[in-house]
Amino acid sequence: NAGVMQNPRHLVRRRGQEARLRCSPVKGHSHVYWYRQLPEEGLKFMVYLQKENIIDESGMPKERFSAEFPKEGPSILRIQQVVRGDSAAYFCASSPRTGYNEQFFGPGTRLTVL
Amino acid sequence: AQKITQTQPGMFVQEKEAVTLDCTYDTSDPSYGLFWYKQPSSGEMIFLIYQGSYDQQNATEGRYSLNFQKARKSANLVISASQLGDSAMYFCAMRESGTTSGTYKYIFGTGTRLKVLA
Repeated sequence: NAGVMQNPRHLVRRRGQEARLRCSPVKGHSHVYWYRQLPEEGLKFMVYLQKENIIDESGMPKERFSAEFPKEGPSILRIQQVVRGDSAAYFCASSPRTGYNEQFFGPGTRLTVL
Repeated sequence: AQKITQTQPGMFVQEKEAVTLDCTYDTSDPSYGLFWYKQPSSGEMIFLIYQGSYDQQNATEGRYSLNFQKARKSANLVISASQLGDSAMYFCAMRESGTTSGTYKYIFGTGTRLKVLA
């Protein structure tokens, strides 16, 4: 199965802890997008990365959130010192090249902050 | 600013009937793409159908068709012969062309929850 993989599927953290969300894109895809879905809302763009580069992070909160997509390995979305408002579903999507029509979505990671 | 509007928070449809889910968009970009996704209760995002801004014909994929009215900036999803398994949240999304930002990110609407009745 060559689809987008995300892990963990469910993550529970206490306030103040760190959350690390992983995304392995479709094999051969070098473009990764992260989206956040708050309860009962649509997905909101967070960040767009290509291998080793952040292209657009206009949707990322200014503090506590960071993302990377290293040359080798999965893309990582890191949330430091989580707060209850970070509880959401985080989706990763990948595409093979700039301007490709479709983004392929992963199953999402559901983060719950206690 | 680019925007997607879905004005129907919830819809009911009888099994085997057709249903139309509304979506309007706003963009000044001449090149864009429109998508519909289904999100069942399990949470994953399932791609249903795509329409490019320059496509002359309405897109169709099995029981799904997209009623694209460019002048009215609407991209309604039509589901024919509804099935119980169609009960889910449906999201309309627009991909900007990215000519200025280079991003091609998606902008999503707030979704419509469809319930198919037996």
